[in-house]
Amino acid sequence: GQNIDQPTEMTATEGAIVQINCTYQTSGFNGLFWYQQHAGEAPTFLSYNVLDGLEEKGRFSSFLSRSKGYSYLLLKELQMKDSASYLCAVSPNFNKFYFGSGTKLNVKP
Amino acid sequence: EAGVTQFPSHSVIEKGQTVTLRCDPISGHDNLYWYRRVMGKEIKFLLHFVKESKQDESGMPNNRFLAERTGGTYSTLKVQPAELEDSGVYFCASSPQAQGKLFFGSGTQLSVL
Repeated sequence: GQNIDQPTEMTATEGAIVQINCTYQTSGFNGLFWYQQHAGEAPTFLSYNVLDGLEEKGRFSSFLSRSKGYSYLLLKELQMKDSASYLCAVSPNFNKFYFGSGTKLNVKP
Repeated sequence: EAGVTQFPSHSVIEKGQTVTLRCDPISGHDNLYWYRRVMGKEIKFLLHFVKESKQDESGMPNNRFLAERTGGTYSTLKVQPAELEDSGVYFCASSPQAQGKLFFGSGTQLSVL
């Protein structure tokens, strides 16, 4: 079956760095995605990894290790507006995505 | 550019009634997906359209759910008759190609009482 795990909730301080981990077991792999979702809003795309390594995009970076079935999302210089849920999603084929339950990030002043 | 729009944003119905959810994808996006999130759980795949054709409907829970995408533009998801366990947030997403990031709508919050 498909299994994607990520922590339920995390708290960090404004200006700090936080790492949100995601582990996955899927039959097939065509990429790992991170989405951000503010309460009551649509999930929005943050990053995509298909090869091992680190992808950096401004304050956000995402890492992938396919052999370990592991990814993390790194958020630097945290801002209050970064308080949201972060969803890890794996695409085993071209038709569908499997999502983790999401990590709710609380950023404190 | 307009994003993915869903209607209604909220729907409250009684068990046994029928509800139809609508999704307008981003113009030009051939791929349209329906997902849903029930309370406290992960977002789960329901089905995938490529233009007007159902590419994969393996996630549809049962035959009370019917999705259509006439003309390959907007899509509807009908639940008939609705049951209590159908309550949740139904998301629509579109993408220009099958492999790539999804553009999500804000979802329809469905409550079946």
